[in-house]
Amino acid sequence: GENVEQHPSTLSVQEGDSAVIKCTYSDSASNYFPWYKQELGKRPQLIIDIRSNVGEKKDQRIAVTLNKTAKHFSLHITETQPEDSAVYFCAATGYSSASKIIFGSGTRLSIRP
Amino acid sequence: KAGVTQTPRYLIKTRGQQVTLSCSPISGHRSVSWYQQTPGQGLQFLFEYFSETQRNKGNFPGRFSGRQFSNSRSEMNVSTLELGDSALYLCASSLSGGPSYNEQFFGPGTRLTVL
Repeated sequence: GENVEQHPSTLSVQEGDSAVIKCTYSDSASNYFPWYKQELGKRPQLIIDIRSNVGEKKDQRIAVTLNKTAKHFSLHITETQPEDSAVYFCAATGYSSASKIIFGSGTRLSIRP
Repeated sequence: KAGVTQTPRYLIKTRGQQVTLSCSPISGHRSVSWYQQTPGQGLQFLFEYFSETQRNKGNFPGRFSGRQFSNSRSEMNVSTLELGDSALYLCASSLSGGPSYNEQFFGPGTRLTVL
């Protein structure tokens, strides 16, 4: 069945350094890839998304890249700050209103001062 | 605009019982999705409702069911509770289409503990 693998499960980086989280999906029909951030005790919130007709998208310190051929997509956070500490989830879904959304298992990102 | 609300926030039940969780979407949102979140399994999609119809369903047993009312509020029911059903249940609403059409806004969740 459809699957999204997310790595690493935990990531610790020095404040100011970059963090990269990678996801691989199995369903070739997937063409929408959102990323959610969930701070401790809070609800998930969409931080960035990318559609299959785009290879890269940036929003300030956050960027997402997509390689449809390899079925890989990645989240890049530059100049990390303490408030970036959270669990990040990638997801994949089709472009139909009836498509299922499959989430990765999450990455716990910790920013060391 | 008020966010997505869920009631109750916490619930303790025993094995074999049933439970009903409620989700009120953002005003104007017609799509409501439900997710189960556990430490080991992450976020798992349960089902999505749109205009009172179940539009999509995840891989959960028939003990998990839901419905949506004409005002877009949704309920989720779990019958014959098992220990493994202990989890945070999140609902998310979006304007109209599925997850790929509009941003999903999550509620705070209902923490269910099965003893």
